[in-house]
Amino acid sequence: AQSVAQPEDQVNVAEGNPLTVKCTYSVSGNPYLFWYVQYPNRGLQFLLKYITGDNLVKGSYGFEAEFNKSQTSFHLKKPSALVSDSALYFCAVRERGDYKLSFGAGTTVTVRA
Amino acid sequence: NAGVTQTPKFRVLKTGQSMTLLCAQDMNHEYMYWYRQDPGMGLRLIHYSVGEGTTAKGEVPDGYNVSRLKKQNFLLGLESAAPSQTSVYFCASSYGPAGGEDTQYFGPGTRLTVL
Repeated sequence: AQSVAQPEDQVNVAEGNPLTVKCTYSVSGNPYLFWYVQYPNRGLQFLLKYITGDNLVKGSYGFEAEFNKSQTSFHLKKPSALVSDSALYFCAVRERGDYKLSFGAGTTVTVRA
Repeated sequence: NAGVTQTPKFRVLKTGQSMTLLCAQDMNHEYMYWYRQDPGMGLRLIHYSVGEGTTAKGEVPDGYNVSRLKKQNFLLGLESAAPSQTSVYFCASSYGPAGGEDTQYFGPGTRLTVL
């Protein structure tokens, strides 16, 4: 069975500071990993994904994520956060060969001006 | 392209009433999914479809039925609504299986309240 954990319910940072949102996963084999963002009263928007290859994945809006197989982690990062990055962030995993994505519970990011 | 659209956006039901949520996509995607989102629980898969005329159960299928009569539409039905089904419902679609080279695209959601 596959699962995702986002250990922090909330992350608060000041604008201009680095932002990190943590994610760890559990799968039997090799994973596909995703980050989505949800703004208030909106659907989920795709940010980035790890399929294979380079462990550092770059995505939309200046976000990037690093796949660490030994630590089974896929943390989302942004070097300099903006107030507009305030949203709910979801990590998701799919085990290769499975149809379904499993989502974490989400992390609310608040960036203060 | 409108992408993924959902109808209605909001609905209030009384316990025992029935309703159907409609999801439509104009991206010619084979795969479609219905999720529910509850606070602190992320998204949970209710049912999904791997093509026209097919449906399959997800993680939390009880109390829901689905149909995929046309490739572009995926309907979610509640035959007898219960307060536990109060949630925000999201539809998603993708070219192929969730993940892989294919990204899921989400609709704007339907907020359902069952009194």
